[in-house]
Amino acid sequence: DQQVKQNSPSLSVQEGRISILNCDYTNSMFDYFLWYKKYPAEGPTFLISISSIKDKNEDGRFTVFLNKSAKHLSLHIVPSQPGDSAVYFCAASPGNTPLVFGKGTRLSVIA
Amino acid sequence: NAGVTQTPKFRVLKTGQSMTLLCAQDMNHEYMYWYRQDPGMGLRLIHYSVGEGTTAKGEVPDGYNVSRLKKQNFLLGLESAAPSQTSVYFCASSLAGVATEAFFGQGTRLTVV
Repeated sequence: DQQVKQNSPSLSVQEGRISILNCDYTNSMFDYFLWYKKYPAEGPTFLISISSIKDKNEDGRFTVFLNKSAKHLSLHIVPSQPGDSAVYFCAASPGNTPLVFGKGTRLSVIA
Repeated sequence: NAGVTQTPKFRVLKTGQSMTLLCAQDMNHEYMYWYRQDPGMGLRLIHYSVGEGTTAKGEVPDGYNVSRLKKQNFLLGLESAAPSQTSVYFCASSLAGVATEAFFGQGTRLTVV
């Protein structure tokens, strides 16, 4: 059973607009959530994280929101740039165990 | 600072052959991981290690073995490769398993024919 779900395989957004990537999880023991970005032929790179004691974390153009009651988190990118085109993975951990990843969402930012 | 380095980057194997993928990290991280990425499947954990001399199974461990003889190295072995093991393999490391991000290598693209 998939514990971390990214239900949108792809998303297209115009340059300058907001990109919203969504992630749902089923394991209520998850207490740390991360977003990774992956370009073709490269390894995933860490983007931003949030712990379960917060509901928002912001880093420049990137903001992650966590809704624990809905078991949902989202990544907002404002404004979107062509260089943001990549696959974004949502990941979660219940503590001192390895990260569990979603299947990823491919973001295309159109100039 | 090299971070996490995987060797080789590409490999083609025949069914039944064996090989070892090497992962090296220079960040003095305790935890190391092997993931595989398949189309539409995301990143799935194969095996991981919480310290030198330790290993543990992940989500998809069958057909793979691992060893962590030195803190900086984590080896992934395929004893008898199968076409189902065609994938991109990523090694990662983290300072600790709790509330911290993992750093990934650049990946190894393996094709089993």
